[in-house]
Amino acid sequence: GAGVSQSPSNKVTEKGKDVELRCDPISGHTALYWYRQSLGQGLEFLIYFQGNSAPDKSGLPSDRFSAERTGGSVSTLTIQRTQQEDSAVYLCASSLGYRDEKLFFGSGTQLSVL
Amino acid sequence: AQTVTQSQPEMSVQEAETVTLSCTYDTSESDYYLFWYKQPPSRQMILVIRQEAYKQQNATENRFSVNFQKAAKSFSLKISDSQLGDAAMYFCAYRSYNNDMRFGAGTRLTVKP
Repeated sequence: GAGVSQSPSNKVTEKGKDVELRCDPISGHTALYWYRQSLGQGLEFLIYFQGNSAPDKSGLPSDRFSAERTGGSVSTLTIQRTQQEDSAVYLCASSLGYRDEKLFFGSGTQLSVL
Repeated sequence: AQTVTQSQPEMSVQEAETVTLSCTYDTSESDYYLFWYKQPPSRQMILVIRQEAYKQQNATENRFSVNFQKAAKSFSLKISDSQLGDAAMYFCAYRSYNNDMRFGAGTRLTVKP
C-alpha cells in the first residue's frame, strides 16, 4: 500500500476482553515499531521488530501484552484481559532498515476500554 | 535502553520570533541518529530534521536548525520566524545502532499571532 495501515481505527471494548490491533507496514520496510500515546502525552515505546524478530520486548507494559510479526510484513499487537488504563492511541510505524531513514506512521488505533 | 528527556512540557512563541526546544538523551553509544518530529492535531507524525551523531555540522532545514552537543548529549531544535502552522507537539527521538527508536515526552508549542 501507499502508507502504513492500521486497523481498526477505533475499538471500544469491555474491561476483561481481549483485543487485537493490526499493522500493515509499507512494503519492503524491515523495521516495524509499536508505540502507545495517551491523550496529549508522549510516545511510549512498546516493541520493535527487525524482520520477524523483536530484539527488545522490555517496553511491553505487562504480560497481558504481546506482539508478533509474520512474513516480515503484517504485525499484530494483542492485549489480553484489557484494563481501563490500556485506553490510548496505539501507533505503528515502519521504515527501511537504515538508521537515517524516517519512520512512516500509521493513523493509529484509538482503544477505549469501558 | 536509551532515554530521551524533553524538560519543557509547553512552550509559546510570538509569530515571526524564534524559539528553542530542548532535548537531552542518555546513551553509551557513539554512533546513533537523532530526530525531531512534529505532531499537529491531526496526529500525523512529520519528520522535521535529523542528525547523525558522527557529523559535527548541525543540521538545517529551512527555518529549522539544531544545536547538537554530543559531549553534553544535547540536541535542541531552533525554529526561526515562527509561523502559526508550526503550532504542534514536538518530539525528540533517538535511534540506536540496532534500529531501536525512543521518543521523548514531547513539547507542546503554541504560536501566538
